[in-house]
Amino acid sequence: GAGVSQSPSNKVTEKGKDVELRCDPISGHTALYWYRQSLGQGLEFLIYFQGNSAPDKSGLPSDRFSAERTGGSVSTLTIQRTQQEDSAVYLCASSLVGLAGDSDTQYFGPGTRLTVL
Amino acid sequence: GEDVEQSLFLSVREGDSSVINCTYTDSSSTYLYWYKQEPGAGLQLLTYIFSNMDMKQDQRLTVLLNKKDKHLSLRIADTQTGDSAIYFCAEEQNSGYALNFGKGTSLLVTP
Repeated sequence: GAGVSQSPSNKVTEKGKDVELRCDPISGHTALYWYRQSLGQGLEFLIYFQGNSAPDKSGLPSDRFSAERTGGSVSTLTIQRTQQEDSAVYLCASSLVGLAGDSDTQYFGPGTRLTVL
Repeated sequence: GEDVEQSLFLSVREGDSSVINCTYTDSSSTYLYWYKQEPGAGLQLLTYIFSNMDMKQDQRLTVLLNKKDKHLSLRIADTQTGDSAIYFCAEEQNSGYALNFGKGTSLLVTP
């Protein structure tokens, strides 16, 4: 597609359930990022994938969060045993190269709004 | 995001100039960014500035960078109602790829 797409756009789940959020980056972009946008907290970095390198997971808030990127393209963010504080908009972005020192524009998807009841 | 500070709200009248200010803490950021988020939409890159520049102009947008004070501003000339959105300032993390965002400034443009 022309831009970054994410699915679902909205997800409502019950506390304790697992959820999977999907991101389709722009074709040809080797770098993929997940961010979380919480009310009053702004955007926080979660995880970064670059090509075949090991992902930078330094932003994941707990071990209930994991992400994978299959075939260097589509990524799935999984949250296990969801808690109410996980409620947020989860944003995915991709960029062409993703290397330090380059102005490598990150293009964002529309996000998935997760609500944990 | 806690290291990047922005005022939370700004209201201007249509046709006036808007100035959104930001302070950041990571002096090693090579680039600094301004993103715009309209209701229900993702983030859209507005502009960015290289850290060795003081100013960058792009049509109605002017970015000013004061590295000494770690201060970044975005000026929108002739602000229109369509400019109403949340504007985020972002710096590069030490890694150089992930971004640290401010909490965003909600710009309201009134007729």
